[in-house]
Amino acid sequence: GQQVMQIPQYQHVQEGEDFTTYCNSSTTLSNIQWYKQRPGGHPVFLIQLVKSGEVKKQKRLTFQFGEAKKNSSLHITATQTTDVGTYFCAGQWGKLVFGAGTILRVKS
Amino acid sequence: NAGVTQTPKFQVLKTGQSMTLQCAQDMNHEYMSWYRQDPGMGLRLIHYSVGAGITDQGEVPNGYNVSRSTTEDFPLRLLSAAPSQTSVYFCASSPGGGGTYEQYFGPGTRLTVT
Repeated sequence: GQQVMQIPQYQHVQEGEDFTTYCNSSTTLSNIQWYKQRPGGHPVFLIQLVKSGEVKKQKRLTFQFGEAKKNSSLHITATQTTDVGTYFCAGQWGKLVFGAGTILRVKS
Repeated sequence: NAGVTQTPKFQVLKTGQSMTLQCAQDMNHEYMSWYRQDPGMGLRLIHYSVGAGITDQGEVPNGYNVSRSTTEDFPLRLLSAAPSQTSVYFCASSPGGGGTYEQYFGPGTRLTVT
């Protein structure tokens, strides 16, 4: 079945450093969604990307969708302690398939 | 709006016991789904429903049963609990299916099977 590979599995950064997580699929995606889950919480929708090459920004977060619609990335500029949590991508092939997530820890 | 609610928040079962995890939403969403979350494996789809009276299997349906008699409620039944079903269970709803719309997640049920 369809799979979405997400890397890295875990990243520990110093506050103020940048962070990037990547999502890859072997087949073309219809769209891709990104979610954030705080420790002990539930996933919360961040954004959806639909168009090839699309780039969207939310304050310090930048989301990209690859030209071939097979990969995506989430970049956080100048991380803050409030950014800690797990970031999931979810690819759409009729149903949503979630990646394993990237756990972000921020040292202050 | 309460959004998506789930009960109970925590549950401990013995192997072989059955139970129902409750999920309700007050957003009039047609699409509802159940996921389980295990360390390092992301969220895996168990069952989903595109409307009242319609359900279908997801990625990991074995050992679970669902029904959708109303738009608001989507309970998940564990038929005979096994230690492999120890997990965190999330219910989600969205205005439509197929991953086209954002999903709203409930707070989760943490289940331990001994």
